[in-house]
Amino acid sequence: SQTIHQWPATLVQPVGSPLSLECTVEGTSNPNLYWYRQAAGRGLQLLFYSVGIGQISSEVPQNLSASRPQDRQFILSSKKLLLSDSGFYLCACGQAAATDTQYFGPGTRLTVL
Amino acid sequence: AQKVTQAQTEISVVEKEDVTLDCVYETRDTTYYLFWYKQPPSGELVFLIRRNSFDEQNEISGRYSWNFQKSTSSFNFTITASQVVDSAVYFCALITYNTDKLIFGTGTRLQVFP
Repeated sequence: SQTIHQWPATLVQPVGSPLSLECTVEGTSNPNLYWYRQAAGRGLQLLFYSVGIGQISSEVPQNLSASRPQDRQFILSSKKLLLSDSGFYLCACGQAAATDTQYFGPGTRLTVL
Repeated sequence: AQKVTQAQTEISVVEKEDVTLDCVYETRDTTYYLFWYKQPPSGELVFLIRRNSFDEQNEISGRYSWNFQKSTSSFNFTITASQVVDSAVYFCALITYNTDKLIFGTGTRLQVFP
């Protein structure tokens, strides 16, 4: 079964600073990868998903971007953070079919001050 | 449009009580999948169950059971003899072939007191 790693686990960043969150997956190949954000006390919002290297679909237009430089690596970035970017960021992994079960990583808690 | 409603925002019970978490979904698609996830205080979402729209059999896994009823568009989750470790936020989710995206409910926070 797959294992999903995310780092850092927690991050405190000032407004206007850059961001890079990393997600790596073990135990599977050619997975679908997802980035979700969970604002405090709220549900999950899909930000990006990828079906392969270099293939990124954006669900919500904002100042975040994603990249997939390797099969099992998914990166979430920003050039300038906003206060509203604070939240809990979860990476998820699924098999080829979008309807397959998504398994989630431990998450990164981001606070923008 | 696809939608998942978890009307119970928070439930509190005492250990050993049974508790049912409600999930109502909306979709016009005939083929879809329903999920339950658990989010303990650590934050990670833990997968509990996946059920397709053609399988209405109820499922039991230890103290957990799920009741899927297409007639009422519901996929309810029951924890029997609840324990403190069951304290978490529970999310119901839906995906169809047409949407290709997991649609989550807003979650139900369950607190089990000793």
